[in-house]
Amino acid sequence: DAMVIQNPRYQVTQFGKPVTLSCSQTLNHNVMYWYQQKSSQAPKLLFHYYDKDFNNEADTPDNFQSRRPNTSFCFLDIRSPGLGDAAMYLCATSREGAGGPSNEKLFFGSGTQLSVL
Amino acid sequence: AQSVTQPDIHITVSEGASLELRCNYSYGATPYLFWYVQSPGQGLQLLLKYFSGDTLVQGIKGFEAEFKRSQSSFNLRKPSVHWSDAAEYFCAVGAAAAGNKLTFGGGTRVLVKP
Repeated sequence: DAMVIQNPRYQVTQFGKPVTLSCSQTLNHNVMYWYQQKSSQAPKLLFHYYDKDFNNEADTPDNFQSRRPNTSFCFLDIRSPGLGDAAMYLCATSREGAGGPSNEKLFFGSGTQLSVL
Repeated sequence: AQSVTQPDIHITVSEGASLELRCNYSYGATPYLFWYVQSPGQGLQLLLKYFSGDTLVQGIKGFEAEFKRSQSSFNLRKPSVHWSDAAEYFCAVGAAAAGNKLTFGGGTRVLVKP
């Protein structure tokens, strides 16, 4: 059973037209992450929520916003998509911070492939 | 800040042959090291991780990795590759000083020949 669900699987938007990507989780994890992965590149962390606390990466453009209305859902809003924003967007969760000694791991969704026309 | 380098962008290996993927990291203290695998069109799945202790770590799907502090490396190995191992592999480093966030390497794409 899918534990981290991303919808839609493929999203096409127009240049400059706002778009929202969604992620839900059934794991009741505290932390939810949004990664951007461009073709043949490493996933790049955009931001994450620890519970309700929002943590933005320093180099994440202002064009990218996020909302977490409750534990289960997290949204990625791209206010004015540009051609350079075409990428796979990966949502991930972890019970606690996944890069540290708490022995946690990231659970990834299957991603949303965003195309910008 | 921590960083990760995967020197090989692509590797082609014959089915049944051994596989080794290289990973070098840069971090001032003992890092937390991970290998993730990504099948086409899918999210990432954790293969194994190293936090402390035994420097040879066993993971899922028959993979293992060895932490070598002197070489700042965490290479991934599998003795006999199966066709289903064709995927992209990402090494990642985490650090408490960086808020326990993961930094991924650029990935190595593995192709398996019959």
